[in-house]
Amino acid sequence: ETGVTQSPTHLIKTRGQQVTLRCSSQSGHNTVSWYQQALGQGPQFIFQYYREEENGRGNFPPRFSGLQFPNYSSELNVNALELDDSALYLCASSWGAAETQYFGPGTRLLVL
Amino acid sequence: GESVGLHLPTLSVQEGDNSIINCAYSNSASDYFIWYKQESGKGPQFIIDIRSNMDKRQGQRVTVLLNKTVKHLSLQIAATQPGDSAVYFCAEISLSGGSYIPTFGRGTSLIVHP
Repeated sequence: ETGVTQSPTHLIKTRGQQVTLRCSSQSGHNTVSWYQQALGQGPQFIFQYYREEENGRGNFPPRFSGLQFPNYSSELNVNALELDDSALYLCASSWGAAETQYFGPGTRLLVL
Repeated sequence: GESVGLHLPTLSVQEGDNSIINCAYSNSASDYFIWYKQESGKGPQFIIDIRSNMDKRQGQRVTVLLNKTVKHLSLQIAATQPGDSAVYFCAEISLSGGSYIPTFGRGTSLIVHP
């Protein structure tokens, strides 16, 4: 196990709702990256937080937003949920922005 | 290797055989590559990495080969075991704004038959 934890493990929402997913990074890691993994696909980078600042963003709309806290845990917020947002959301932490990332187990989100 | 479509490429092997999983990457400027293993219900797990100035790197039972001429990466697993059954992803890393942003391929499903 990597020491990266995510909550909740599963979540069901309806279109238009908002969701917050949480991630606790491995002890000592100051960087958290978030990914969306659709069924049968590889993870797609959403954004990265390094020392509480956004440090890179993938091709996702602004309704995907995030936060990193002083203890380096992180939240991913998604507003105005769409059906296509149904996916496994992965969090990965690392010692620094350019270091190997270690993944948590993910949160599976279903949007109905 | 990678392919278009809804179904993951699948490699089926017998326990004890050697497995070779292939990956074509897209960015000739990528300077770092990683192989991840993802078991059902889990997040990707780091297996091995290789920098672009290397052709080969070996780990425990795994070897990664990099051919920059044809932008091809392979993962060789020796003496494959049932516990190796998983989806394997290659990821290419491009330095972007001071962070490493991995771009993942679609993955290959490895099935090991006892």
